[in-house]
Amino acid sequence: AQSVTQLGSHVSVSEGALVLLRCNYSSSVPPYLFWYVQYPNQGLQLLLKYTTGATLVKGINGFEAEFKKSETSFHLTKPSAHMSDAAEYFCAVSRMEYGNKLVFGAGTILRVKS
Amino acid sequence: DVKVTQSSRYLVKRTGEKVFLECVQDMDHENMFWYRQDPGLGLRLIYFSYDVKMKEKGDIPEGYSVSREKKERFSLILESASTNQTSMYLCASSPLGQPSTDTQYFGPGTRLTVL
Repeated sequence: AQSVTQLGSHVSVSEGALVLLRCNYSSSVPPYLFWYVQYPNQGLQLLLKYTTGATLVKGINGFEAEFKKSETSFHLTKPSAHMSDAAEYFCAVSRMEYGNKLVFGAGTILRVKS
Repeated sequence: DVKVTQSSRYLVKRTGEKVFLECVQDMDHENMFWYRQDPGLGLRLIYFSYDVKMKEKGDIPEGYSVSREKKERFSLILESASTNQTSMYLCASSPLGQPSTDTQYFGPGTRLTVL
């Protein structure tokens, strides 16, 4: 079975600092990879996804993530944090062989300090 | 604009009650999903449906059932609510296609408390 590990349940950065949220997956075959964001009192929305092709994926709000097969990682980054980035971030994986289901990580709450 | 709505944002029920959570999407999507979200556990799939009257169990179906009589509506039913079902419930939908790569669109969630 595939699983997703997000390192750090809480991450705190200063406004303007680099944001790095870590995600590792366990799968013998590269899965499809997603990052979703959940703002307070809202549902989840897609930030970005990797399916095939270029391993550096750009998403909304200045976020990007790089698929590294050798490290089984899909870390999310943003060069400069903004107060509005404060939210919970979820990494997720899926594969057709696993019934097309999304498997989510436990989530990382990002706090941005002024 | 894509829209998934859930019937209630907050719900308080008593142990043993039958609970209905409703989800409606206006995007003509074939696939619909019910998740529960708990701190430290992320989202876990309860049930999903890929067509009207079709359903499949997710990872944690025990204590839940679902109904999909119309394409736009997917209901989650707690036959006899228990305190360990206190949680945030999220509905999502996605279009027919390659479900493993398709974006899922989420509703705002229903926070259910069972006393």
